[in-house]
Amino acid sequence: QKEVEQDPGPLSVPEGAIVSLNCTYSNSAFQYFMWYRQYSRKGPELLMYTYSSGNKEDGRFTAQVDKSSKYISLFIRDSQPSDSATYLCAMRGGSGGSNYKLTFGKGTLLTVNP
Amino acid sequence: DAGITQSPRHKVTETGTPVTLRCHQTENHRYMYWYRQDPGHGLRLIHYSYGVKDTDKGEVSDGYSVSRSKTEDFLLTLESATSSQTSVYFCAISEFSNEQFFGPGTRLTVL
Repeated sequence: QKEVEQDPGPLSVPEGAIVSLNCTYSNSAFQYFMWYRQYSRKGPELLMYTYSSGNKEDGRFTAQVDKSSKYISLFIRDSQPSDSATYLCAMRGGSGGSNYKLTFGKGTLLTVNP
Repeated sequence: DAGITQSPRHKVTETGTPVTLRCHQTENHRYMYWYRQDPGHGLRLIHYSYGVKDTDKGEVSDGYSVSRSKTEDFLLTLESATSSQTSVYFCAISEFSNEQFFGPGTRLTVL
């Protein structure tokens, strides 16, 4: 079993839809969770960073963490064509040692159609 | 791109030739990383550095070496390039926080 599983999609939605992106993980040592957005032929760009179980909101984006189920989600409200990109989840263990190394999901390709 | 540049941005080379990719940062961050990104595999860590002259291997380090003689520069060398090293290479940096910031990438083709 891979440490981090992410459905690669592709996911295609109409403009204005609510988008749900998800990752599951198997390593209970993961404590910090991130979402990156990557436009075609660009580097990944950090969108959200969370630690605690629960929700964190930033504008149209909400990151959700459920450590008991080992499941994280990213919700995009009122999706726009400019949200079309690949979304990568990433996670790492707690502080100390080599725990700053990130483990990435393979990414979900999202297209928002006007 | 958080003060990170990578050079070259594109390179085509032949099997067996040495190749060096450069990552330069202006953020004075302590940690630097090299990743490769391939379809079906996502981002995989090649090598990382936790200070000047302090480096260690990631999950796909075979065939790669790195050097860091200054805080701002992290070099990735393919001693003898192979076709399996055709990929997009990303450099990333981080300070003592969790956030890693990525550079724009280098697209390498080994013929």
